[in-house]
Amino acid sequence: AQSVTQPDIHITVSEGASLELRCNYSYGATPYLFWYVQSPGQGLQLLLKYFSGDTLVQGIKGFEAEFKRSQSSFNLRKPSVHWSDAAEYFCAVGANAGNMLTFGGGTRLMVKP
Amino acid sequence: GAVVSQHPSRVICKSGTSVKIECRSLDFQATTMFWYRQFPKQSLMLMATSNEGSKATYEQGVEKDKFLINHASLTLSTLTVTSAHPEDSSFYICSARPPGGSDTQYFGPGTRLTVL
Repeated sequence: AQSVTQPDIHITVSEGASLELRCNYSYGATPYLFWYVQSPGQGLQLLLKYFSGDTLVQGIKGFEAEFKRSQSSFNLRKPSVHWSDAAEYFCAVGANAGNMLTFGGGTRLMVKP
Repeated sequence: GAVVSQHPSRVICKSGTSVKIECRSLDFQATTMFWYRQFPKQSLMLMATSNEGSKATYEQGVEKDKFLINHASLTLSTLTVTSAHPEDSSFYICSARPPGGSDTQYFGPGTRLTVL
C-alpha cells in the first residue's frame, strides 16, 4: 500500500527566508507525486507534480520540488518565503496519473514578519 | 484552467437529517470524481471514487449506505450524507479528473458540514 509521511506538522519561517518542506513516500512502483496548498477553509491548489523526467520540477508561486528515488523523498522548496505563503501544504502520491491520491498529514507553514 | 465547484460551501443541519453536496466540473467533462473527507487539522482521506454511469467504489471503512454517491452525468457528482450525526461534521472535498488519461485532478473548494 502506498503511504506518505510529512515529518513536520508545523514550520515557522521568517519572511524572506528559504523554506523546505519534507515529504517521504512509500510505493512499490514509480510514483506520481504532487504538492498541494490549502488556505484556511479552502480547497486544494496544485503547486507542482512529478511523473517522470527531470527530477527537479518547477511549480507555481516560485515553488520547486526534487524527486530523490534513493531517499524516497519529494521535498518542496522555495528560496524566499512571502507572508502570503502561510497555509497548509500537502504532499500526495498516486498509483498512476489522475488516480486516487494518498495524502500526507500536512505541514502547516507560518510566516513571521 | 479546469474549475470544479461545490455546493453548498457551508451547511448546518440537525442530527438525523440528510444533506446533499454537489460537485460540478464547470468547463470539462469528468468521467471520474473523488470524494475526500478532512477532519479539523488533519489530512484528506479518500472516501470513494465515483465513476459516471456506474456505482461508486468506497474505501474500506466508509459506509456506502450512509454516504450515497451519485454520478449521473459527466459534470455532476453528488454526495448525500444520510441521517447525519455530529460525528459526520467535517470538510468534504471533491476532485474531478478529465477523461482521456488526464494526469491531474482538480479539486473543489470544499463543503463544511456541521451537524448539530
